[in-house]
Amino acid sequence: GAVVSQHPSWVICKSGTSVKIECRSLDFQATTMFWYRQFPKQSLMLMATSNEGSKATYEQGVEKDKFLINHASLTLSTLTVTSAHPEDSSFYICSAREIDLSDRNTEAFFGQGTRLTVV
Amino acid sequence: RKEVEQDPGPFNVPEGATVAFNCTYSNSASQSFFWYRQDCRKEPKLLMSVYSSGNEDGRFTAQLNRASQYISLLIRDSKLSDSATYLCVVNPMDSSYKLIFGSGTRLLVRP
Repeated sequence: GAVVSQHPSWVICKSGTSVKIECRSLDFQATTMFWYRQFPKQSLMLMATSNEGSKATYEQGVEKDKFLINHASLTLSTLTVTSAHPEDSSFYICSAREIDLSDRNTEAFFGQGTRLTVV
Repeated sequence: RKEVEQDPGPFNVPEGATVAFNCTYSNSASQSFFWYRQDCRKEPKLLMSVYSSGNEDGRFTAQLNRASQYISLLIRDSKLSDSATYLCVVNPMDSSYKLIFGSGTRLLVRP
């Protein structure tokens, strides 16, 4: 099956610094990738939809200037948490689907997730 | 109202038991439905898609009730390895192909 690779798997950073998370689709082209955040014992919350070659679409309440998304190629999307603060500590997960217009049941593949701790 | 709602559990059952989870969704136009499984501190993995006619995969059976806007997952003959959080996932009827996740139902299977 398709594989999505996310890096790094965990990171600890100081408050005020920026952190970049990479998400790669390894064996398929992903025109669209999705970024989620998950706090402990809570569900995955969609942050934004990343579209190759265009601006990302952010969900309501997500600050686009704080969570910068770049989807420069069909296999790579990056999420940069700028000026991170302790409240940004969370589990960030990317996802990609092989979009098939004739079948909305195509599987979404997830990266391994990045556990961010801001101290 | 949340777009996708699930009972958080936990459901604590003995090995061999049958357990059922339900999930409700608010957008009546939603077209695609899934159950994902998530182990602690891991990424979600697809368990099964849910089709209108219902579908079965081994010990797992998924059902969709469009009239009542709920989805169910039945696990028969529970195994210890079934212990995980089960996420109900809905694809709203829009052009984005994004997935909306329920908060998950935690299952604990005891020996």
